[in-house]
Amino acid sequence: SAVISQKPSRDICQRGTSLTIQCQVDSQVTMMFWYRQQPGQSLTLIATANQGSEATYESGFVIDKFPISRPNLTFSTLTVSNMSPEDSSIYLCSVESGSGELFFGEGSRLTVL
Amino acid sequence: KQEVTQIPAALSVPEGENLVLNCSFTDSAIYNLQWFRQDPGKGLTSLLLIQSSQREQTSGRLNASLDKSSGRSTLYIAASQPGDSATYLCAGNTGGFKTIFGAGTRLFVKA
Repeated sequence: SAVISQKPSRDICQRGTSLTIQCQVDSQVTMMFWYRQQPGQSLTLIATANQGSEATYESGFVIDKFPISRPNLTFSTLTVSNMSPEDSSIYLCSVESGSGELFFGEGSRLTVL
Repeated sequence: KQEVTQIPAALSVPEGENLVLNCSFTDSAIYNLQWFRQDPGKGLTSLLLIQSSQREQTSGRLNASLDKSSGRSTLYIAASQPGDSATYLCAGNTGGFKTIFGAGTRLFVKA
């Protein structure tokens, strides 16, 4: 299993500002995944972050809005840029074990006013 | 395109009851099927992972089954407790780091 720490756990932000979410894993992993969970909805994959290369974004998500860094094999950040109330969601960091099991952080609950 | 559906969307049961949560998927070419628990406003906790070659997995009071031919998985919870109250999500992995999540079943166990 993997232990994943996310910061901040929650935040309230003003429209038009940006927030960076940090994700730290207790072991080295090749891929890290960022998900969004809008209120009352299930999880949607934003992007896959691979160390040493640009993140791969899913349809509907763009780098300008959700820039991702992956400086090493245990850490990644997701920035939510120029926020609007529609960005209010839980943002989750995830990794996959060698057996294909997904593990998640506690999530970062973002409210945009 | 893989789609994952969970029924029911919400369930309320008295404490001590045995219950079954259902998950169906459209693409039988599934790599694995995973069940998660999510408490309000929190992240996901992995409960059980079933590989495509397996039929079921058990952990304590939880038993998950997988039937690829019918595109179904079930999560059985024995002797439910108020602490089991949470949202339960199933997720199908079709390989290539693509995991599709169901919308979840919100479970409330009454004391």
